[in-house]
Amino acid sequence: LAKTTQPISMDSYEGQEVNITCSHNNIATNDYITWYQQFPSQGPRFIIQGYKTKVTNEVASLFIPADRKSSTLSLPRVSLSDTAVYYCLVGDSNTGGFKTIFGAGTRLFVKA
Amino acid sequence: DTAVSQTPKYLVTQMGNDKSIKCEQNLGHDTMYWYKQDSKKFLKIMFSYNNKELIINETVPNRFSPKSPDKAHLNLHINSLELGDSAVYFCASSHARSDTQYFGPGTRLTVL
Repeated sequence: LAKTTQPISMDSYEGQEVNITCSHNNIATNDYITWYQQFPSQGPRFIIQGYKTKVTNEVASLFIPADRKSSTLSLPRVSLSDTAVYYCLVGDSNTGGFKTIFGAGTRLFVKA
Repeated sequence: DTAVSQTPKYLVTQMGNDKSIKCEQNLGHDTMYWYKQDSKKFLKIMFSYNNKELIINETVPNRFSPKSPDKAHLNLHINSLELGDSAVYFCASSHARSDTQYFGPGTRLTVL
């Protein structure tokens, strides 16, 4: 099972772009990369998922280099409400969610 | 229109008691999960279940058992509660063969 490594915490200011990088050196061919966001006292919430290159949605962008051994979640112009824990996961979409493993996540603090 | 709901939200009980946490999803998903999030905020999967297969994380004590009366429900039964069982328990669901999971709000269990 692919293991992920992320920074424990990051600080930012409102309006800045935040990039959180995740390492997954043992990612398998069938693995997708998924990011979740968790606010205090809530369950994790799906943000974005990708396999390679770049994926963008209304919330974030996900950059994945050609070797897929890392990925970067990019949050444009963060606000105070983006303060949360962000989890990077890798898993095989063909085998379902059981094999996806949540790491320690990155605690993002957005300051005014 | 809560997608994944759990009851109760808080549960305080004595060591040795038996308790249950209920989970319901109205997303039409056919796979449901239970996670435990401890005081260090690590999310650990406990069970994955669809109508064909129960997958158990081997580290979960057999005091914990999932019960599914139908596709929309996966309840968690815990026998002989111990202090170390204190944590937040999250239910989640997904389409089969998908690692995009939708989480419930969590149940904070405190064992005294």
